[in-house]
Amino acid sequence: DVKVTQSSRYLVKRTGEKVFLECVQDMDHENMFWYRQDPGLGLRLIYFSYDVKMKEKGDIPEGYSVSREKKERFSLILESASTNQTSMYLCASSFSAGGSTDTQYFGPGTRLTVL
Amino acid sequence: GQSLEQPSEVTAVEGAIVQINCTYQTSGFYGLSWYQQHDGGAPTFLSYNALDGLEETGRFSSFLSRSDSYGYLLLQELQMKDSASYFCAVLGGSYKLIFGSGTRLLVRP
Repeated sequence: DVKVTQSSRYLVKRTGEKVFLECVQDMDHENMFWYRQDPGLGLRLIYFSYDVKMKEKGDIPEGYSVSREKKERFSLILESASTNQTSMYLCASSFSAGGSTDTQYFGPGTRLTVL
Repeated sequence: GQSLEQPSEVTAVEGAIVQINCTYQTSGFYGLSWYQQHDGGAPTFLSYNALDGLEETGRFSSFLSRSDSYGYLLLQELQMKDSASYFCAVLGGSYKLIFGSGTRLLVRP
């Protein structure tokens, strides 16, 4: 079974803090994704990566950055956390781009609260 | 712009059949996926349609009409454990998944 793990289930940070969210997958997947999920808005793509050291902006990249130094690990960084970044953050991975093999496997999520 | 429309809530009784519709408007289209998410849980993959027609997987079926930019998820013999949110998602240009806002299904005894 594919396993995607995230470093924390719950996180509370203060405005202005630098926040790191870590995601690790164990299936040698090429692609990794970071989403945020807010009520009534579904899942919105923040950043994604098709390969080590590669990253592309999703639909809402402002205020975030990412790092992918190893194939299995994809980190989301909030340089200076703000209250409007309070949300559920979901990491996902998939085997390849396109087609039925593009099934995304999600981690359990990190619920981040910024005070 | 890109958008996916699906109902926000659907209620049905145990044992019944329910259909959750999804219409989409996206730049680029490779296929339509459905994901299930229980409260507090992670989204999990249910089905993927790249071509027109019906795909069946046990009690769940998914349909796609590319010409109508429309698809649906059909859940048969509903069980209480099917109470969850269901998201349609389009695999669009740049191979990014674009998610709808989700349909909350409540199954009543």
